[in-house]
Parts: sequence; structure tokens; C-alpha cells
Amino acid sequence: DGGITQSPKYLFRKEGQNVTLSCEQNLNHDAMYWYRQDPGQGLRLIYYSQIVNDFQKGDIAEGYSVSREKKESFPLTVTSAQKNPTAFYLCASSIEGGGNQPQHFGDGTRLSIL
Amino acid sequence: AQSVSQHNHHVILSEAASLELGCNYSYGGTVNLFWYVQYPGQHLQLLLKYFSGDPLVKGIKGFEAEFIKSKFSFNLRKPSVQWSDTAEYFCAVSRYGQNFVFGPGTRLSVLP
Repeated sequence: DGGITQSPKYLFRKEGQNVTLSCEQNLNHDAMYWYRQDPGQGLRLIYYSQIVNDFQKGDIAEGYSVSREKKESFPLTVTSAQKNPTAFYLCASSIEGGGNQPQHFGDGTRLSIL
Repeated sequence: AQSVSQHNHHVILSEAASLELGCNYSYGGTVNLFWYVQYPGQHLQLLLKYFSGDPLVKGIKGFEAEFIKSKFSFNLRKPSVQWSDTAEYFCAVSRYGQNFVFGPGTRLSVLP
């Protein structure tokens, strides 16, 4: 089945630790996105990538980093600089970027602080 | 800054009641409009989308939405809800060359 796989489903981070969330898609989509979902705030864009080896900051990129070395993979690192990392993180992809195509979502990773 | 608002944070209905969830956006010009649904424990799924043409859009599972340009609105409707419609619903807006902006979501609880 084609889709987006996020792992792990649950992740715990200690203070001062960096953690990496995985996102893999087999839809052959060019564009990939990372969102943060907090109760009552909807989805906020962290980073996006419209093509391999290129990515752009979204609205709330501080304390996060990404890479896009392969078309199918877009991992997100939550660094120790992110002071409030507890949230639900969603990865998405679309055939192309630019807002003209629907986005497809993974099941999400819930990150909590120990 | 562009924004998307959804009128209700939490809506509670009985089965067979009619549903209308509001969505308003602050963009001018041409927009693309989407409604997504997130069932408990599942990923966000596309319910319906509007790019152009007939402003009344039909989606999956009996949902429809009407784009009213003069009101900057894209309200979601369903004539008769079921218990299985219990979920969180997100409106999203995009413009050509720009990213999606999502509303804060409306949680729908349908009582059996």
C-alpha cells in the first residue's frame, strides 16, 4: 500500500537531548512537510521541502532541523533548543509543492518530555 | 497575516442531526480550499477540496461544502450525522505558490 510511515509512534525526550522523528513515503511525491499539532491550534508548519536536497523554514522552525537527502525520506530533528517540544508531530507529502495539490498525512509521532 | 478560523471548538450532536461547521479565511484573491478529518487514532484524511468551478463541492461519506467568495467562507455540511462521524475536522486554505494554512479544528462528538 502506498502511504506515509512515521516512526516511532511515541517518543520520550530527556532535557538537553536531540531526538529524530522519521518520515518515509512511497507515493513518489516531490514535496514533504512537517507540522506540529497542539490542542486548539490546528497544524503549524515547521519545515517543508519541495524537492530533494532543498528545504525551507515554515512558521515555527526554531529549535528544529531537517534534511532531504532522498526523495522518500524527510526526517525531523527536535533539538535541545526547542523549549516546548511536547506535541503531536505530523508528516505530510504532496505530488508537488505550491499549494495546488492535496497533502497526504502520516499517523503522527507523539513526543513527550521526561 | 493570513489566517483561517473555525467557528466552533467543540460541537455535540445526536445521531441523525444535521451538521454545519464554519470556516472563514482572510485571504484575498484565488484560493484553494480543503476539509480534512482526523478520526480518533487515525491520520488526517481529505474529505473534499475546492479549486475552481461549482462552488458546491461533494466529498466522501456524504459530506459537502459550499464556497461563498463574498463571505470568504467554506462551510462543511452533512444532512444527517452518524456516530462514526465523531472526529476532529480541519479546514485548510492555500494559494498558488504558497503553503497550506490550517484552521484550529472543530471537534465533533456524535451521541448514539
